[in-house]
Amino acid sequence: EAGVVQSPRYKIIEKKQPVAFWCNPISGHNTLYWYRQNLGQGPELLIRYENEEAVDDSQLPKDRFSAERLKGVDSTLKIQPAELGDSAVYLCASSPWGKTSGNTIYFGEGSWLTVV
Amino acid sequence: TQLLEQSPQFLSIQEGENLTVYCNSSSVFSSLQWYRQEPGEGPVLLVTVVTGGEVKKLKRLTFQFGDARKDSSLHITAAQPGDTGLYLCAGETSGSRLTFGEGTQLTVNP
Repeated sequence: EAGVVQSPRYKIIEKKQPVAFWCNPISGHNTLYWYRQNLGQGPELLIRYENEEAVDDSQLPKDRFSAERLKGVDSTLKIQPAELGDSAVYLCASSPWGKTSGNTIYFGEGSWLTVV
Repeated sequence: TQLLEQSPQFLSIQEGENLTVYCNSSSVFSSLQWYRQEPGEGPVLLVTVVTGGEVKKLKRLTFQFGDARKDSSLHITAAQPGDTGLYLCAGETSGSRLTFGEGTQLTVNP
């Protein structure tokens, strides 16, 4: 069974440019997460979807970040315009449902963003 | 602000040694998970603990959840080079949000 697939794997952009990341979760998983991981730190939740509904987006910087999961399957995370501080690994994850207990969250390999 | 504090932040030991990593918080968690992350990859779930005082073993790894469900520890016996990686604890808070600690970078030297 394929895992969580993310693209692009690496992206280098100049500040003020837009960037988009794509994620295809594990088939059948209703819950999709976007996390940001800075170097030397643990992942930080940006947004969580239950099917196509964003149920937790309180930590998403909405002035420049947006996300969508239109058909409740794959998802796109966009940053526009990018800032130097956005350099990080953007991790997508999925799970069968949203509750942590008795649940396993599967992470993709991440999209590495460098803003110069 | 991180709700979960992990210690130590870095740990370098020789093969065969034992070690313990700690995860502490002032918050109560409904469950707590431990992950291992290798360079260039996403975190991989090792274990979930739910009940206060719970102990789970995974081969040479022993996980314990504190009685008050505010802290946890991970003990590795006879560490091997393959255990090298970033160990992350993550606690489930209200709204089923998973909050991660900053991680412990473990290096096991042959």
